[in-house]
Amino acid sequence: QQQVKQSPQSLIVQKGGISIINCAYENTAFDYFPWYQQFPGKGPALLIAIRPDVSEKKEGRFTISFNKSAKQFSLHIMDSQPGDSATYFCAAQIRGDDMRFGAGTRLTVKP
Amino acid sequence: NAGVTQTPKFRILKIGQSMTLQCAQDMNHNYMYWYRQDPGMGLKLIYYSVGAGITDKGEVPNGYNVSRSTTEYFPLRLELAAPSQTSVYFCAHGAGEPPEAFFGQGTRLTVV
Repeated sequence: QQQVKQSPQSLIVQKGGISIINCAYENTAFDYFPWYQQFPGKGPALLIAIRPDVSEKKEGRFTISFNKSAKQFSLHIMDSQPGDSATYFCAAQIRGDDMRFGAGTRLTVKP
Repeated sequence: NAGVTQTPKFRILKIGQSMTLQCAQDMNHNYMYWYRQDPGMGLKLIYYSVGAGITDKGEVPNGYNVSRSTTEYFPLRLELAAPSQTSVYFCAHGAGEPPEAFFGQGTRLTVV
């Protein structure tokens, strides 16, 4: 079963809009929550990450919101640009070694 | 290449054949991982290693084997290829607490 559930599967946003991708997890042993960005033909690359003792983390246009009690976290991309068009994966790690990924969200930002 | 080299980039195997996917990192990182990526399914962890001589199973280890005799190399072995192993395979390495994973460019494997 998927340990990390991600939605939506695909997302289309206009340039300048806000992209929101949501993830939920069950295992409370997860202690680190990264987001990865993947362009076609490339491997995933770390975008931003958060620990469960923090409710929000912002890096430039990218923000993670974390709700520990609901076991949910989300990625917000402000002022979305065509160059942000990619597949985004949320992930959850236990003790830094066992990392599980969500199914991915294909984001398309229309100019 | 994020400090990791995967070979080959593409491979077609016949059912029942065996092969080794190579992965080498030049960052001297302790953590190494093998994932497979199927369309719409995200990445599934096959095996991982927290250091030379230490390996552990991930979510989907059946049909695969790994070894980690040195820090640099982490090969993935398929003994009896099956169509269900058609996928894109990614090797990654990591360091830090928790480790940030750096992914290779992937190996696209087709089993026919």
